[in-house]
Order: sequence, then C-alpha cells, then structure tokens
Amino acid sequence: ELKVEQNPLFLSMQEGKNYTIYCNYSTTSDRLYWYRQDPGKSLESLFVLLSNGAVKQEGRLMASLDTKARLSTLHITAAVHDLSATYFCAVDIETGTASKLTFGTGTRLQVTL
Amino acid sequence: ETGVTQTPRHLVMGMTNKKSLKCEQHLGHNAMYWYKQSAKKPLELMFVYNFKEQTENNSVPSRFSPECPNSSHLFLHLHTLQPEDSALYLCASSQGAGVRNEQFFGPGTRLTVL
Repeated sequence: ELKVEQNPLFLSMQEGKNYTIYCNYSTTSDRLYWYRQDPGKSLESLFVLLSNGAVKQEGRLMASLDTKARLSTLHITAAVHDLSATYFCAVDIETGTASKLTFGTGTRLQVTL
Repeated sequence: ETGVTQTPRHLVMGMTNKKSLKCEQHLGHNAMYWYKQSAKKPLELMFVYNFKEQTENNSVPSRFSPECPNSSHLFLHLHTLQPEDSALYLCASSQGAGVRNEQFFGPGTRLTVL
C-alpha cells in the first residue's frame, strides 16, 4: 500500500521567512502533484512534477522531485500572508487507464505578520 | 473558476433520506473521480470512472452508489448514511491515462448527516 507522508503537519511562520515542506512516499512513482486548499474551498493545482530532478517555480513557491529518494519538497521564499492555506502533495500511480492519486495528510501553513 | 462544477454545495440529510450529488466537467476529460475529505484525514479516493466505466471502487460501503452516464457527468447516490459519513465530497476529472494526467477538482459538496 502506498503511503504518502508530509511534514510538518502544521507550520506557523512569519512574513518574509523561508521554509520547506517535505513529502515522502513509499513506492516508485515519477509523477507528483502539489495542491493548495483554502478553508472551505476546493483544491487548486499548483505544480505537476513528471520526472526525476523536475523543478517548478511559481512566485514564492518552488517544488522539486527526487524520485530516487522518493521525496518532493515545496519551498516557500519570503512568505506573505496570502500563502496561508493547506498544501497537499499527491502521488500518482497510473493504472493504465485513469490516474490514481494518493494524497498526503496536508500541511497547514499559517503566515503571520 | 474551475471547469468542474458540483451541486449542491451544501446538503443536510437524515439517516433515512436518499439524496444525490451531481458533478459536471466542461473540460473534455475522460476520467472522473469521487473523493471524501473528512476532518483531520487525508483525502480518500472513493471511485474512478474512465470512459464511463468504473475502474476503481476503493472499498466504499454500498450506501454510496456512483453513476456515470457519460464522460461529462458523475453522480453519487446516497442512502441510509451514517453520521460518520459527514464530510466534504470532492469530484475531480482528468484527461485519462497519459503522461500528464493532472486532476482538476470541483468546489465540493459539504454533507452533514444527522
């Protein structure tokens, strides 16, 4: 059974600081997604990582994938309050038909002034 | 606004009621999914449909009954639910198998079972 673990589960950080969220998974996969969820809202796709060594950046967020280590990171640079949300990583095991995502537990990020 | 819509957005039902959740995608995708999101638990995949055929049933109790009449519409029929079934139910769609099979999510239905 595929397990996806995120840490930390909760992160409180000050504006302007940097931090990294980690996503470890237990089986071979070369597809990993990062999503953002605001309270009471749906999931918004942030990054799609499709190969070993993939790195994607959007604004203050940067995601990377190391398939050998089965690890993805989401790095936050100079955090701002608008980044407060819950962030999920999801690992894709293609079944040959549709995809099958297994989600991590999520990291709730709170950016304080 | 995403290309995946869900109705209703909120639903309160008793344990003896029968109700249905509806999902529609306007993205031309071939695969659709139901997820359950409970407080303090990871998202749980419930069902997967690809080209209208069910390809995954993740050990979901029979009180949840999915229906996919075409690639654009997905329903989740509910009957004799339990209070522990209260959760946010999310629908998603994707192109189907392939290198880039990103799933796009709808806004969800917040279900409360009394």
